[in-house]
Amino acid sequence: DAGVIQSPRHEVTEMGQEVTLRCKPISGHNSLFWYRQTMMRGLELLIYFNNNVPIDDSGMPEDRFSAKMPNASFSTLKIQPSEPRDSAVYFCASSRTSGLGSYNEQFFGPGTRLTVL
Amino acid sequence: KNEVEQSPQNLTAQEGEFITINCSYSVGISALHWLQQHPGGGIVSLFMLSSGKKKHGRLIATINIQEKHSSLHITASHPRDSAVYICAVRSLRTSGSRLTFGEGTQLTVNP
Repeated sequence: DAGVIQSPRHEVTEMGQEVTLRCKPISGHNSLFWYRQTMMRGLELLIYFNNNVPIDDSGMPEDRFSAKMPNASFSTLKIQPSEPRDSAVYFCASSRTSGLGSYNEQFFGPGTRLTVL
Repeated sequence: KNEVEQSPQNLTAQEGEFITINCSYSVGISALHWLQQHPGGGIVSLFMLSSGKKKHGRLIATINIQEKHSSLHITASHPRDSAVYICAVRSLRTSGSRLTFGEGTQLTVNP
């Protein structure tokens, strides 16, 4: 398996532009997570999906951020409009979660390094 | 006070030394993870445990649920072990699969 795939790996954009980050989870995994990592705040969960349904989006910073998972093999994280403080590394992770309380390890993608000028 | 605290924040060791990184948490948990992040930025899951001890190669992870404490040990450390080690917990208070992360421990192993 290729693992979790993220694109682009690097993105440089100007303030105010729309940014779309993409993630393909590992085939067969039914949970998908979007994380943000900064020097100041470390790793933070933004949102996660189970069976394509958003379960917990309490980590999404504000309305400028939105995430979708139209099918089991693809998810997007969109920032519109982007701001310099959004500069961070954004990680996508997936896992196989089965049944109530049954939980497995998460596999992380390589991350997207976003720089907003 | 953070729900997950790691110590030390930074650790420098000589090749071959035995290394211990500690993680304390303040909430009831259903699982604890140890993650490794290399200088290139990639994150790898090392262990997920909810009780006892797990071993993989030179890495050993232990957890004491009563004391809300976990340790990650590296035996016969090597420069390639240099990385940030992150502890994360799945809290019983939060929904589903949400993880809460520690700030990480930067490990440098010198040859």
